[in-house]
This record gives sequence, structure tokens and C-alpha cells, in this order.
Amino acid sequence: TQLLEQSPQFLSIQEGENLTVYCNSSSVFSSLQWYRQEPGEGPVLLVTVVTGGEVKKLKRLTFQFGDARKDSSLHITAAQPGDTGLYLCARRTGNQFYFGTGTSLTVIP
Amino acid sequence: EAGVAQSPRYKIIEKRQSVAFWCNPISGHATLYWYQQILGQGPKLLIQFQNNGVVDDSQLPKDRFSAERLKGVDSTLKIQPAKLEDSAVYLCASSWAWSDTQYFGPGTRLTVL
Repeated sequence: TQLLEQSPQFLSIQEGENLTVYCNSSSVFSSLQWYRQEPGEGPVLLVTVVTGGEVKKLKRLTFQFGDARKDSSLHITAAQPGDTGLYLCARRTGNQFYFGTGTSLTVIP
Repeated sequence: EAGVAQSPRYKIIEKRQSVAFWCNPISGHATLYWYQQILGQGPKLLIQFQNNGVVDDSQLPKDRFSAERLKGVDSTLKIQPAKLEDSAVYLCASSWAWSDTQYFGPGTRLTVL
């Protein structure tokens, strides 16, 4: 199956709090991408992780690829209202990109 | 560099009507994708072009959806006739040939009444 399960589905937090969202699959994948989609816009690529156990940082965002390459997490430190959006993970299989259902994050000022 | 352009941004039609969406990818990008994003879900690939050839259209409902990219640049996605369940955002994306980095347009929000 190409299914990517993301959790939680919805998350509402106060500015300054930390949070982690997850992307899980029952099958191994060679690489995984994280996107952020703001209302009325298309998704924007944040990062691609390719190696099991890999950790990448993008300012206050930390992305981790599981050792078994079946899961990934995104941790945001000191969330800001500008982090509000839909966070999507995606994997590539052959020519196709499969997206998860997303985590909708709202950061309240 | 200009991004991916899509039009219209919004469209409301009645079921059984026809509708067409237009996409202009980033200049030089050989690969073009059309996705359908239903509210509350992630994007689902409908069709992928490499220049003006179809690479993958396995998830395109061919009885009612069609797409073309005649000169390997702009692309049009058509729905005829539309059904209520076609209500969604239709996203176009482009990339350099075989690159993993896709650039998405803002999408067209379709409402079928």
C-alpha cells in the first residue's frame, strides 16, 4: 500500500509552544518529503529526507526520518502564527508522488 | 523567476456541465503534474506529463477527465460532464525533468452544485 498516515489530523496551539507531527507508513520508502500548504495556495516543499535516521533542521523545524524508513516526524520549536498551515508528507514511488492526508496546524497569537 | 500560473482561481458549475482549467508551468520545466485535492485530504496525482507526452495517467478518470499539453509547455485539464464529487482544488505543479522538487501553482477551486 502507498498509504501515508499523518497524525494528528488537527492541532491548535498557543504561540511559543512546541509540537511534533508524524507521518507513518506500513512499507519502507526510499525518501520522504515534507510540504507546508497555506490556505488558498499550493504546497511548498520544505525538505526531502533520504537516509534512515537522518535529521535535518530548517530554522525552528526539525525533520527526522525513522531508522527503518517507515516513518518520519516534524518538530517545531517555539511555534509562531506564521507556521499555521497544512503540513503534508509525501513519498515518491516510481513516477508518482503519494501524499498523506495532512496535519492542519493553527498557531494562536 | 515566475511561479506556476493557474486559471481560473475559482469556478462554480452545475453537475453535468463542462469545465476547463489552464496551467502555465515554470519556464524550462519539462515535467508537469495535475493533482486533485479534496477538502481534508492530501493531493492525489491525476496525470503527469514529460514534455508533451503522458508519463502516468493511471488515476485519471478517463471517462470524464482529459488533459493535454500539446506544445510541451501549457496544459489544460478538462472535466466533462462534472459530478458533485469532482468538487475539489485542482493543483498544477512542474519540475525539471525527473527532479523530486515540484513547484505548485495556487490551484483552481471547483465547486459543483
